[in-house]
Amino acid sequence: NAGVTQTPKFQVLKTGQSMTLQCAQDMNHEYMSWYRQDPGMGLRLIHYSVGAGITDQGEVPNGYNVSRSTTEDFPLRLLSAAPSQTSVYFCASSWTKTTNEKLFFGSGTQLSVL
Amino acid sequence: LAKTTQPISMDSYEGQEVNITCSHNNIATNDYITWYQQFPSQGPRFIIQGYKTKVTNEVASLFIPADRKSSTLSLPRVSLSDTAVYYCLVGDPHGSGNTGKLIFGQGTTLQVKP
Repeated sequence: NAGVTQTPKFQVLKTGQSMTLQCAQDMNHEYMSWYRQDPGMGLRLIHYSVGAGITDQGEVPNGYNVSRSTTEDFPLRLLSAAPSQTSVYFCASSWTKTTNEKLFFGSGTQLSVL
Repeated sequence: LAKTTQPISMDSYEGQEVNITCSHNNIATNDYITWYQQFPSQGPRFIIQGYKTKVTNEVASLFIPADRKSSTLSLPRVSLSDTAVYYCLVGDPHGSGNTGKLIFGQGTTLQVKP
């Protein structure tokens, strides 16, 4: 079982460049989300989706866009990268949005913006 | 705005029992309490989940008092490999639960020494 797959694992961008972080899950999960993790800050929710075609903002959505056209994929777009977006990004999924479901995380994407 | 509060760090020695307490004063009636473990350079992974009283599995126990305003993760006889960051997750800090806005706290860094 692949679970939650994130690509790329590492990425270096220049300020102002755009890119898309990919996230795919093969468990037919309704719920997917993106977190960023910075030293001493824990996991901060960027965006989440409770099903295909439905997305909503988390704690730190500015500078990021998402869409959910299929159940399997939930890409995160940086339209104009800034050094403040240097971070490790994790994608997660679960069967539904309810808190009794386990979250399954990908292995992360380490992003550096110069 | 985190809905949970945990100690930032804890130290222990191999073979000891470790208890990490999480405060969640505003927990919603239908929120479950879930704990995750994160090793360096990996995504968090599920450890244990409960709603009330005590839950035990092969790796940990979870104690939840009747008022559900806190929970305690208990790791019996820790080893060096238990060195990790531990997060408790309750749910949306603003809503009545099951919105999908899953906000993590800062987590507890557990250092196990030989």
